[in-house]
Amino acid sequence: NAGVMQNPRHLVRRRGQEARLRCSPMKGHSHVYWYRQLPEEGLKFMVYLQKENIIDESGMPKERFSAEFPKEGPSILRIQQVVRGDSAAYFCASSPGPRYEQYFGPGTRLTVT
Amino acid sequence: GQNIDQPTEMTATEGAIVQINCTYQTSGFNGLFWYQQHAGEAPTFLSYNVLDGLEEKGRFSSFLSRSKGYSYLLLKELQMKDSASYLCAYITGGGNKLTFGTGTQLKVEL
Repeated sequence: NAGVMQNPRHLVRRRGQEARLRCSPMKGHSHVYWYRQLPEEGLKFMVYLQKENIIDESGMPKERFSAEFPKEGPSILRIQQVVRGDSAAYFCASSPGPRYEQYFGPGTRLTVT
Repeated sequence: GQNIDQPTEMTATEGAIVQINCTYQTSGFNGLFWYQQHAGEAPTFLSYNVLDGLEEKGRFSSFLSRSKGYSYLLLKELQMKDSASYLCAYITGGGNKLTFGTGTQLKVEL
């Protein structure tokens, strides 16, 4: 049973470009969560999605950030017009439902130059 | 502000026992998780406490007191590979998002 998969593992973007991060949940998991980890800081919740629905986006910055989890294919976290402060590790997690343990993917390390 | 607190660093000796404490304040509490994270890697699930008491899983045990807003992770027979950051996190309400502490960096020495 494959774990949570994320790609790319490392992504370098220049200021102003777009970043697209992908996450495929574990088999049988329909709940996906995105977290951000800034250097020397804890993991911060960004958004919670189920297939075709955003359930909770209380942790998402109001501008430039969006997320989706389409009926087919991986969940996508999209950051438009990246800035240096967006440099961080972005982790995706999945679970079979709410209040179950969440299993994390290996993360995408975004560097904005 | 931060309403979940754990020590920043701890050092222990190989073969010993270490206890990592976590205190939290929140309403609608629905459970407490512990994760292990090695540098540059994903957090790995260790334990999930919903009810008060001790949950034991091999060398790792986790305790929860909901009335005190307190949990601890106990690691026995420490090994060098246990050197990592240990994250506590609570889940609230609908059980959707985890709120993490900043993590306790554990260093295991010979």
